[in-house]
Amino acid sequence: YDLTQPPSVSVSPGQTARITCSGDALPKYYTYWYQQRPGQAPVLVIFKDSQRPSGIPERFSGSSSGTTVTLTISGVQTEDEADYYCQSADSSGTWFFGGGTKLTVL
Amino acid sequence: EVQLVESGGGLVQPGGSLKLSCAASGFTFSGSGIHWVRQASGKGLEWVGRIRSKANSHATAYVASVKGRFTISRDDSKNTAYLQMNSLKTEDTAVYYCARHGTDQKGFDYWGQGTLVTVSS
Repeated sequence: YDLTQPPSVSVSPGQTARITCSGDALPKYYTYWYQQRPGQAPVLVIFKDSQRPSGIPERFSGSSSGTTVTLTISGVQTEDEADYYCQSADSSGTWFFGGGTKLTVL
Repeated sequence: EVQLVESGGGLVQPGGSLKLSCAASGFTFSGSGIHWVRQASGKGLEWVGRIRSKANSHATAYVASVKGRFTISRDDSKNTAYLQMNSLKTEDTAVYYCARHGTDQKGFDYWGQGTLVTVSS
């Protein structure tokens, strides 16, 4: 199934960035978020909709409402500039990624 | 420290085959599922497939575009997972990552650095 993300989001340092991910099946299955800096492998920043792995700064948070999930980065820092991908799965264990959102910190 | 290291990438002609390896360390490999994810240059992430742990019968699943061409396997005695790619197409050109499926539905919690596969004549 499709997961839809905005292609880009721009914020100034210290502001709050919100990246959305929409999909009809999202209310049924957990959503995950990954950060990918240029030339690097993805890093998990949110799992099971809103939980943060150890080592991920508290400014990263996740929430869900109906068919839309949101990754929120509070007090954005320049190091947060990266591509962000949402991810979910279906009942057969097939996984899907959103198209990705490029976060630019102006 | 959990580590995943991919190898085996390279240049292959259309219609050819290549086998990628994902060597794991720092965790109980036999108890973890392993995924393969690819990324074409300048494009987004695409899930390729996965193999579950022995406890889950080493079950595999694949994205539709590679079904029948790609096969994921594992050798728990060597802490290594594999991606056998046959009948390669130019559109399979990408960096291929392996990733660990975290316990308790924690997503893909560790990733390798990736290996580049180029399908070209």
